[in-house]
Amino acid sequence: EAGVAQSPRYKIIEKRQSVAFWCNPISGHATLYWYQQILGQGPKLLIQFQNNGVVDDSQLPKDRFSAERLKGVDSTLKIQPAKLEDSAVYLCASSFFSGSATDTQYFGPGTRLTVL
Amino acid sequence: AQSVTQPDIHITVSEGASLELRCNYSYGATPYLFWYVQSPGQGLQLLLKYFSGDTLVQGIKGFEAEFKRSQSSFNLRKPSVHWSDAAEYFCAVVTTGTASKLTFGTGTRLQVTL
Repeated sequence: EAGVAQSPRYKIIEKRQSVAFWCNPISGHATLYWYQQILGQGPKLLIQFQNNGVVDDSQLPKDRFSAERLKGVDSTLKIQPAKLEDSAVYLCASSFFSGSATDTQYFGPGTRLTVL
Repeated sequence: AQSVTQPDIHITVSEGASLELRCNYSYGATPYLFWYVQSPGQGLQLLLKYFSGDTLVQGIKGFEAEFKRSQSSFNLRKPSVHWSDAAEYFCAVVTTGTASKLTFGTGTRLQVTL
């Protein structure tokens, strides 16, 4: 079974530029999550989708971050404009069942973003 | 709000020695607790999880964890560490509310010496 795919794996940009990350979840997984992991910290949930609807985006900085999940499969996370403090690893995860957090979440390898 | 604390930022053990990583939770009711491992350049992998029932939980790769309500702890253990166990370990708890979500601790980095 293929795992969660993410691209790119690494990205370096200047502050105030825009950047986009892509995630392809495990086939059949209805729930998709985006996490931000700053160096030395645990992952923090940014947004959770159930199919193509948003379940929780309470910790998404909506003035600069946006995310979409077209057709309930792939997802894109965008930052525009980027700030220095956005330097982090962005992790995508997916889960199969109801969307409850007690379902096992399967994580992708992440995208490491460096903002200069 | 529900949270987990991992008091050890970094631990070093010798290969073959036993391991215990600490995790304390803050939650009024019975929490849903998880341990994940993150190897360099890899995504997070679930080691084990506790929802209810037997307080000693067996996971993958020879790991186990024990839920102790009296101590608000969910420590991860392994009787004999292998060099390949060197990684970052995260304890996590489900926080319930409008939409249940996973909240992670700050992690413990495990170094294994040969």
